[in-house]
Amino acid sequence: GAVVSQHPSRVICKSGTSVKIECRSLDFQATTMFWYRQFPKQSLMLMATSNEGSKATYEQGVEKDKFLINHASLTLSTLTVTSAHPEDSSFYICSARGWGDQPQHFGDGTRLSIL
Amino acid sequence: AQSVTQPDIHITVSEGASLELRCNYSYGATPYLFWYVQSPGQGLQLLLKYFSGDTLVQGIKGFEAEFKRSQSSFNLRKPSVHWSDAAEYFCAVGEKAAGNKLTFGGGTRVLVKP
Repeated sequence: GAVVSQHPSRVICKSGTSVKIECRSLDFQATTMFWYRQFPKQSLMLMATSNEGSKATYEQGVEKDKFLINHASLTLSTLTVTSAHPEDSSFYICSARGWGDQPQHFGDGTRLSIL
Repeated sequence: AQSVTQPDIHITVSEGASLELRCNYSYGATPYLFWYVQSPGQGLQLLLKYFSGDTLVQGIKGFEAEFKRSQSSFNLRKPSVHWSDAAEYFCAVGEKAAGNKLTFGGGTRVLVKP
């Protein structure tokens, strides 16, 4: 159980393009979803926390207008990287957790490469 | 603010040997503690978690971890390592008041020698 699906797994696109990444909880209701960014050989850095039906809470230094997060249902959250530039190239990982003290379960990540 | 330290960046161990990964945390209250494993280019898989109760926690793939409040540690162990255990391991502390927001350690990369 506790499967989180993240799509796409890899994106290569031109500078200036907006890219949408989906994160779905397949077998549980995700009250909270998290978006992380991971640079090569580094740990995960939390970008934002989203609760279903409410605005996302962004970590300090993360641009809200750059990284748009929508959590429209208990099974789906999306991260849109708007007008992406090469410095936005990274590995983006989502996670989801259910009710109570459930742990976070992670998707397989999305490798974003901006040319 | 909470923090997590994994002192070892790399560990090399022979297949069949025991493995211990260190994790120290800083947190004001009783922590929620986690160990995750990440294979290259993949997401994270939960190995085990500690919320309360028995301080020795059993996880998947033969891993266990022991919570020691006096040492602010949550070290991960495995008695006999398999080649498939080569991966990056992350310790994390959860902040209950913030929806179990996780703070991760820097990770330890485990290499397994034949």
